[in-house]
Amino acid sequence: GAVVSQHPSWVICKSGTSVKIECRSLDFQATTMFWYRQFPKQSLMLMATSNEGSKATYEQGVEKDKFLINHASLTLSTLTVTSAHPEDSSFYICSATQRGAGYQPQHFGDGTRLSIL
Amino acid sequence: EDQVTQSPEALRLQEGESSSLNCSYTVSGLRGLFWYRQDPGKGPEFLFTLYSAGEEKEKERLKATLTKKESFLHITAPKPEDSATYLCAVQAGGGSNYKLTFGKGTLLTVNP
Repeated sequence: GAVVSQHPSWVICKSGTSVKIECRSLDFQATTMFWYRQFPKQSLMLMATSNEGSKATYEQGVEKDKFLINHASLTLSTLTVTSAHPEDSSFYICSATQRGAGYQPQHFGDGTRLSIL
Repeated sequence: EDQVTQSPEALRLQEGESSSLNCSYTVSGLRGLFWYRQDPGKGPEFLFTLYSAGEEKEKERLKATLTKKESFLHITAPKPEDSATYLCAVQAGGGSNYKLTFGKGTLLTVNP
């Protein structure tokens, strides 16, 4: 149980392109989803928290207009990297928490490797 | 500010050689401490949640313990398939929106 699917797993695109990453909870309802960024040999850095039906909460230093997050249903959140540039290349990982999130672990997708040429 | 420090950064063991990983934390009101395993190119896989000092959880060769200042992940008679990065994270109380603060992880390598 508690499976999170992330798609695509790898994307390569040209500078200036916008890229959308999907995060789905397959067997549970996720009231809260999180988006992280991970650099090589570094830990996960939280970018934003999204609650179903409301605006995402961004961490300090994360550009809201650059990283658009939509959490339109209890099983789907999307991250769109707008006008991506090489410095946006990274490993992006989403996680989801079940209802009653206070004492539930976050379950993670397998990440999306984004490479901007 | 919540902080999580994991040690050692890297640990190399022989198969069957037991050891422990450390996670020290400072947090304003611990709601939960979480252990995850991460394989290269993958997302973290949930292992344990600990809520209060003195609590212990076990799963196969892994055992997690918690005190008021730190947590240990004990690995008994490890196998090569236990090789991975082990991440520790804390969740604070009081309106934190359930977000996790992660440590940098311990890269465990188990040689056959």
